[in-house]
Amino acid sequence: QSALTQPPSVSGSPGQSVTISCTGTSSDVGHYNRVSWYQQPPGTAPKLIIFAVSNRPSGVPDRFSGSKSGNTASLTISGLQAEDEADYYCSSYTGTSTYVVFGGGTKLTVL
Amino acid sequence: EVQLVESGGALVEPGGSLRLSCVASGFTLKTYSMNWVRQAPGKGLEWISYISPTSSTIYYADSVKGRFTISRDNVQNSVYLQMNSLRDEDTAVYYCARDPPLTSYYGSGSYFDYWGPGTLVTLSS
Repeated sequence: QSALTQPPSVSGSPGQSVTISCTGTSSDVGHYNRVSWYQQPPGTAPKLIIFAVSNRPSGVPDRFSGSKSGNTASLTISGLQAEDEADYYCSSYTGTSTYVVFGGGTKLTVL
Repeated sequence: EVQLVESGGALVEPGGSLRLSCVASGFTLKTYSMNWVRQAPGKGLEWISYISPTSSTIYYADSVKGRFTISRDNVQNSVYLQMNSLRDEDTAVYYCARDPPLTSYYGSGSYFDYWGPGTLVTLSS
């Protein structure tokens, strides 16, 4: 199972919106609504911010939203804030013994 | 409060072995599947192993299959990763991560909601 494809980096100014894409295949992202997103500031463990494509855990601001179309999932962060600067990873259930596959990660820079 | 705490990371020579532990608290471990995920320095996340609540189902990534063994002790609230025949490319921070509950509407593997702070394994001769 190959890693999901994410852009290496995105950037935006405070207050703006950015979208991070996550492209898989018809066997993972396209087949299951089990896509999640994680935020990882430097030196910390990943934190779940979106699960099952578009659901937010308690405590995650509604500035974070997720969606999916075909084999591509997307994370949108609106009203960018300085504290959003971090690495972001998507993941998808695969339905096979490889269980879960992650994207390569996207570094978000807030200008 | 849900907590996962890994331990056992160390500096080890290639070909050596190491056993990682993950102690869970704040929830009933026996009702959750658990995973190990690793992150090499400056690299992305890599899922490496899964174990179901009763250990009846176990999965491994191809990169560790045949060398790593996942296990659990629900009485001790712990999950383990026995790592043998270690290679340079196994250098990474190793995280344990909790799967959704068995009764989750969203299904297994749909997210990892709690992660430990990680433990560092370094391969060096």
